[in-house]
Amino acid sequence: GESVGLHLPTLSVQEGDNSIINCAYSNSASDYFIWYKQESGKGPQFIIDIRSNMDKRQGQRVTVLLNKTVKHLSLQIAATQPGDSAVYFCAERGQAGTALIFGKGTTLSVSS
Amino acid sequence: EAQVTQNPRYLITVTGKKLTVTCSQNMNHEYMSWYRQDPGLGLRQIYYSMNVEVTDKGDVPEGYKVSRKEKRNFPLILESPSPNQTSLYFCATQGGTAVTDTQYFGPGTRLTVL
Repeated sequence: GESVGLHLPTLSVQEGDNSIINCAYSNSASDYFIWYKQESGKGPQFIIDIRSNMDKRQGQRVTVLLNKTVKHLSLQIAATQPGDSAVYFCAERGQAGTALIFGKGTTLSVSS
Repeated sequence: EAQVTQNPRYLITVTGKKLTVTCSQNMNHEYMSWYRQDPGLGLRQIYYSMNVEVTDKGDVPEGYKVSRKEKRNFPLILESPSPNQTSLYFCATQGGTAVTDTQYFGPGTRLTVL
């Protein structure tokens, strides 16, 4: 079946660096993608989303890039801060009414 | 403030003792869902509900029941808990079933079954 995965289970960066978290998906029909952040002891929190008809979307300090040719999604965090330390999940949905499919997560550690 | 609340947040119980984890939302969302999260397995959907009195199985429904008698509440019931149901549970809601409807998660319930 379709699945959403992440390239690296962990990523360690220095405060102030830019972080890039990657996600590969297998369903070429996926139409909607979300990035979530999960801090220790909390539920996943919505960060940013993108529709399949877009290549890039920017938020506050975050950018999501979608490459449909290679079925790759990435989350870029600018000027990473210690408060960005968390597990980051990508999720995808194929069509209306279907469930979100989640990747297993990348743990981002930011050191001062 | 838009919220998804779960109770209890932490629970330790014994095998076979029925329990209910409550989920409530104040966003008037139609869609609600339960997930369990286990190390190395990520988030897996247990049950979901597209509206009042409408519930469907997710990927891992065995050993669980749900009900949706009113829009705001979606309790998760474990009739006879077993140790393999020890997990972190999340309730989530979304406005409807459009492709771009985002899911919002509750704070989680950590369940230990001895």
